[in-house]
Amino acid sequence: GIQVEQSPPDLILQEGANSTLRCNFSDSVNNLQWFHQNPWGQLINLFYIPSGTKQNGRLSATTVATERYSLLYISSSQTTDSGVYFCAGGSSGSRLTFGEGTQLTVNP
Amino acid sequence: GAVVSQHPSWVICKSGTSVKIECRSLDFQATTMFWYRQFPKQSLMLMATSNEGSKATYEQGVEKDKFLINHASLTLSTLTVTSAHPEDSSFYICSARDWVSGVGDTQYFGPGTRLTVL
Repeated sequence: GIQVEQSPPDLILQEGANSTLRCNFSDSVNNLQWFHQNPWGQLINLFYIPSGTKQNGRLSATTVATERYSLLYISSSQTTDSGVYFCAGGSSGSRLTFGEGTQLTVNP
Repeated sequence: GAVVSQHPSWVICKSGTSVKIECRSLDFQATTMFWYRQFPKQSLMLMATSNEGSKATYEQGVEKDKFLINHASLTLSTLTVTSAHPEDSSFYICSARDWVSGVGDTQYFGPGTRLTVL
């Protein structure tokens, strides 16, 4: 099956800093999603992005499908951005394989 | 839109009892739902794929007689942990698949159920 590798595993930032999270896939995917898991465990959809670039406020994501990686950018980070960020990929209509996540801590 | 609920949000039970967890898609119909398990500080592990009106497909290593899944309608899937033991204590999360025009094939996740078996 597909292997998903996320980096870095942990990231500590000061409020206001920018960051880039990366996700590598061992095989091509046509379903790729980024999630944020808040401290209560709820997974929040950030982006559905099998290819191209999308932006939503301070967050943006870029997927280069031909090179099997995706990047999540967080700009002007806030303490509420803390939590675990997961990427997940798979075939359309099929199971998603999750990476191990990036634990982000934003300090005031 | 695309809200998925789970009930209960947390449950504590004695060893040997069975626990049922419900997953509902509130504002869309989901022919496919997924059940995941997450241990502390770890990623989500897919347990099974639940298809409306048919038997669930279990991942390798997941005991189907232990984790009973029923997808009786397009908005409800249930996971029953039978004869629960302390090692079954975990965070169980469901998701429902939806095709959103202009977005694509997306999974939406419930808030999770924290199970503690004493």
